[in-house]
Amino acid sequence: DTAVSQTPKYLVTQMGNDKSIKCEQNLGHDTMYWYKQDSKKFLKIMFSYNNKELIINETVPNRFSPKSPDKAHLNLHINSLELGDSAVYFCASSQPPGQGTGELFFGEGSRLTVL
Amino acid sequence: SQKIEQNSEALNIQEGKTATLTCNYTNYSPAYLQWYRQDPGRGPVFLLLIRENEKEKRKERLKVTFDTTLKQSLFHITASQPADSATYLCALDIHQGGKLIFGQGTELSVKP
Repeated sequence: DTAVSQTPKYLVTQMGNDKSIKCEQNLGHDTMYWYKQDSKKFLKIMFSYNNKELIINETVPNRFSPKSPDKAHLNLHINSLELGDSAVYFCASSQPPGQGTGELFFGEGSRLTVL
Repeated sequence: SQKIEQNSEALNIQEGKTATLTCNYTNYSPAYLQWYRQDPGRGPVFLLLIRENEKEKRKERLKVTFDTTLKQSLFHITASQPADSATYLCALDIHQGGKLIFGQGTELSVKP
């Protein structure tokens, strides 16, 4: 019973292509996130959605477009991939900000390699 | 500028000893601080949370301290085991706004 699941786990693609990563959580949380972990292991927040509404949008190129069809799903679409987009992308969920402990539940990550 | 720094070098210790990891921050006023464990190829897993008005928190062999004057948190693993080997990440929530800022992590290796 995976709590936060992401697909695909690995993605290898050419520069200029468009790709999507899907995320689903079965924890009943209202809030979901996308984080990027670069080669130096820094985890940086990209987006946060609360009940399908965008609440955090860091300075991410607009080639990255998150979509939340319902509060259990948050997908990430990336257009015109660049070499610098190579990283591990983590989806996470939590109770809404200000409620609960703020603990994040992470997926296993999706490793994107752009050639 | 705002920074979060953890022990930059990997930490190697002998089984049975206490591991102490450091998280220092500047120019933040976090409402609380969290510690996560990350194994290679896996997502981070939550371990402990400590609030700004708490000095210390314990969970089994884990202990976290939080000194808002020094702007520092210490994470201790007592009676360490090889299975504790992993990267440990500290994270700050500044305004309970759902935005966690992570440190770069410290890689811990416990030798038998």
